[in-house]
Amino acid sequence: GAGVSQSPSNKVTEKGKDVELRCDPISGHTALYWYRQRLGQGLEFLIYFQGNSAPDKSGLPSDRFSAERTGESVSTLTIQRTQQEDSAVYLCASSVARAFAGELFFGEGSRLTVL
Amino acid sequence: TQLLEQSPQFLSIQEGENLTVYCNSSSVFSSLQWYRQEPGEGPVLLVTVVTGGEVKKLKRLTFQFGDARKDSSLHITAAQPGDTGLYLCAGARQGGKLIFGQGTELSVKP
Repeated sequence: GAGVSQSPSNKVTEKGKDVELRCDPISGHTALYWYRQRLGQGLEFLIYFQGNSAPDKSGLPSDRFSAERTGESVSTLTIQRTQQEDSAVYLCASSVARAFAGELFFGEGSRLTVL
Repeated sequence: TQLLEQSPQFLSIQEGENLTVYCNSSSVFSSLQWYRQEPGEGPVLLVTVVTGGEVKKLKRLTFQFGDARKDSSLHITAAQPGDTGLYLCAGARQGGKLIFGQGTELSVKP
């Protein structure tokens, strides 16, 4: 597709289970970003990839959160032993430019609900 | 810590009214962006401002970057129901990550 694609669009899980969220960036976009958006709030930075390296992962809330990226393609955000406070929409974005310069193109997000 | 404060957080107005949304910080940014987000979708870029004092117009929307590059405003003239959404400002320092404000939820009633 032409835009950033995220899956699943909705995920309901039980507390303590692990979840994987996937992001397919726009082809040719070298930079990829993960943000978290809690209900009615702005976007909280999680991690940034340039290619398959992560120069800035300072926003990951705890060691339960990890992310990886294959080349300049798909990225996966993994949350282990989910907690209720992890419930949020997880947004992925990609951009042509490096290091947050230029426009970020966002996917529609993965809504995570932890019961 | 970079922090962007948006005000107001919520705004409900009638079609045809004017409004202004503010985005303030104690930090200096190399650029500032405004995004609009509709329910169930990701944010979409409206404009990027990079020069202190810069004013950009996009139809009925006017964006201004403060002289000191610490604040910005978005003014909408004659608001329409189609303007309804969450408006987010986002600032970045040179080589730094993009920090978002908490957003302004705008509702324009016909």
